[in-house]
Amino acid sequence: SQQGEEDPQALSIQEGENATMNCSYKTSINNLQWYRQNSGRGLVHLILIRSNEREKHSGRLRVTLDTSKKSSSLLITASRAADTASYFCATGYSSASKIIFGSGTRLSIRP
Amino acid sequence: DTEVTQTPKHLVMGMTNKKSLKCEQHMGHRAMYWYKQKAKKPPELMFVYSYEKLSINESVPSRFSPECPNSSLLNLHLHALQPEDSALYLCASSQLTSGSNEQFFGPGTRLTVL
Repeated sequence: SQQGEEDPQALSIQEGENATMNCSYKTSINNLQWYRQNSGRGLVHLILIRSNEREKHSGRLRVTLDTSKKSSSLLITASRAADTASYFCATGYSSASKIIFGSGTRLSIRP
Repeated sequence: DTEVTQTPKHLVMGMTNKKSLKCEQHMGHRAMYWYKQKAKKPPELMFVYSYEKLSINESVPSRFSPECPNSSLLNLHLHALQPEDSALYLCASSQLTSGSNEQFFGPGTRLTVL
């Protein structure tokens, strides 16, 4: 069963705007990861934030984690057409190598 | 080399056929994964191999049979599949250190069962 739920399910914004997607999960985690998937292709790892971290940056990406609310957000600043993709959060656990993916957000960037 | 390769890219098979999907990585990762993904859905974990041994089977039907011949290769043998098994099959690999690690994904095999 899916651990994470993401919202919105779909997001369409103008190029240059910022995109924010949210992920909620149900049980305690070791880390939370974000992945991008271009249409029908493999997933690409974007960023990993550990349970003892609150915020992390990577280029135009900013991820926050609130373990008290069991939620995370991914912010993409100054969006580009190439950012059009599906974005998935995935929760990781200390006792297992597996991760569980959230439902995903489909992001479309309008030129 | 930070690439996971999968063959074939596309596969069409009948319900009585036997086929295999192949996955390869040369990053020295000791964990390898098979996922199934339906359209507009997240990947669903099928199997995990750790140090070439099956460590997780997510109650996958026996018509899917995984195999890990060595630390670089992962196969998924298919037999007597159903049309509902049509999906994108993704392979991934990762290091095996404490906690979960970044997974590297292959491009997937698009499977159609007729």
